[in-house]
Amino acid sequence: GQQLNQSPQSMFIQEGEDVSMNCTSSSIFNTWLWYKQDPGEGPVLLIALYKAGELTSNGRLTAQFGITRKDSFLNISASIPSDVGIYFCAGQTDNAGNMLTFGGGTRLMVKP
Amino acid sequence: GAVVSQHPSRVICKSGTSVKIECRSLDFQATTMFWYRQFPKQSLMLMATSNEGSKATYEQGVEKDKFLINHASLTLSTLTVTSAHPEDSSFYICSAIGGGTGNEQFFGPGTRLTVL
Repeated sequence: GQQLNQSPQSMFIQEGEDVSMNCTSSSIFNTWLWYKQDPGEGPVLLIALYKAGELTSNGRLTAQFGITRKDSFLNISASIPSDVGIYFCAGQTDNAGNMLTFGGGTRLMVKP
Repeated sequence: GAVVSQHPSRVICKSGTSVKIECRSLDFQATTMFWYRQFPKQSLMLMATSNEGSKATYEQGVEKDKFLINHASLTLSTLTVTSAHPEDSSFYICSAIGGGTGNEQFFGPGTRLTVL
């Protein structure tokens, strides 16, 4: 099925640095979601975006719903070691039975 | 609230045997449950959508006779991998929506299946 284009695939950064990752799609989504997955666990929702242009923060995380509804980015400020994990974007459309389409994931590694 | 559990968390089986994985919504009634498969270093791929009391809808390329899904109650869906083979080894994750959760999918912790 369709998959969102997520980049970068991986990042290795120093603790304290800011991180940015993004997703693009050829299709429009009504909702953009960002998840974090730790090894051996299911994904956990970080931020949900419901309106084009919406900018939402959750602590050190900030995400935006692109104005074209075909893209979104996630920023993490002042990274800490526990930010390590895989981050996934996901798009959802109202007319697809609440199905989610996931990006390929961004593997984040933080060096203390 | 909105907790989803999976059992077992890990299972190892011999090739040719069948394995059942349970997905439960603990504090809400799940009208719809989704089953995903995730291979190492890859993303989640939707296998099927399951609505309580009706047949599951499978994604293209997913064999319904091999991956049997039963959503018999509003809190339980099961995925049975029949005649498992080593290539079925993967991380299986369920999610659920319903009962006031809106459209948000709540994910289970996943089940690691290893077929020898």
